[in-house]
Amino acid sequence: EPEVTQTPSHQVTQMGQEVILRCVPISNHLYFYWYRQILGQKVEFLVSFYNNEISEKSEIFDDQFSVERPDGSNFTLKIRSTKLEDSAMYFCASRRRGQLTGDYGYTFGSGTRLTVV
Amino acid sequence: GQSLEQPSEVTAVEGAIVQINCTYQTSGFYGLSWYQQHDGGAPTFLSYNGLDGLEETGRFSSFLSRSDSYGYLLLQELQMKDSASYFCAVRDGAGSYQLTFGKGTKLSVIP
Repeated sequence: EPEVTQTPSHQVTQMGQEVILRCVPISNHLYFYWYRQILGQKVEFLVSFYNNEISEKSEIFDDQFSVERPDGSNFTLKIRSTKLEDSAMYFCASRRRGQLTGDYGYTFGSGTRLTVV
Repeated sequence: GQSLEQPSEVTAVEGAIVQINCTYQTSGFYGLSWYQQHDGGAPTFLSYNGLDGLEETGRFSSFLSRSDSYGYLLLQELQMKDSASYFCAVRDGAGSYQLTFGKGTKLSVIP
């Protein structure tokens, strides 16, 4: 079963520091996403990426956030200057092209638990 | 705004059937999905309904009524391993593939 791989699994960082979260999506998927989940809360959309550019982003995804697909396999989320409220589980997901009325299932990675102290 | 409502917790007995409901209010609607998440794990895709009616995948079924803005996930022959959180999620834009998730229903299966 193909997997979405995320590294690291845990990251602790000091407030104000930059962090880069890494993801390797499934190789034949075309759409890539970052979501986050604050402990005990729902999963929230951050950004979607298609054809080497951002296709959508949420209000959460402000100027402190950026994404890159630097080499055709990795997909990274950078937080420039972390805040305490950025502490959450960050999930990368990828999706194959869906049919018009078909399945739009994502494959999520196992997540990176980011703790900002 | 977007809102999805689902019960916060449900408890059911092993071997029984449980239904988890989801009602939604979104500016657009292009399908309702269900995801399972075990504690500390990644959400896992379970099912998708783009049209009204019932979709069945093994022990799990999902139903959608677009006129009622309502769907449910039905789990049959419950097993202990089904204890997890279940999220409904709506794709709410034609050109949008982002999902808006509900707050999740924590299902506890007891012997």
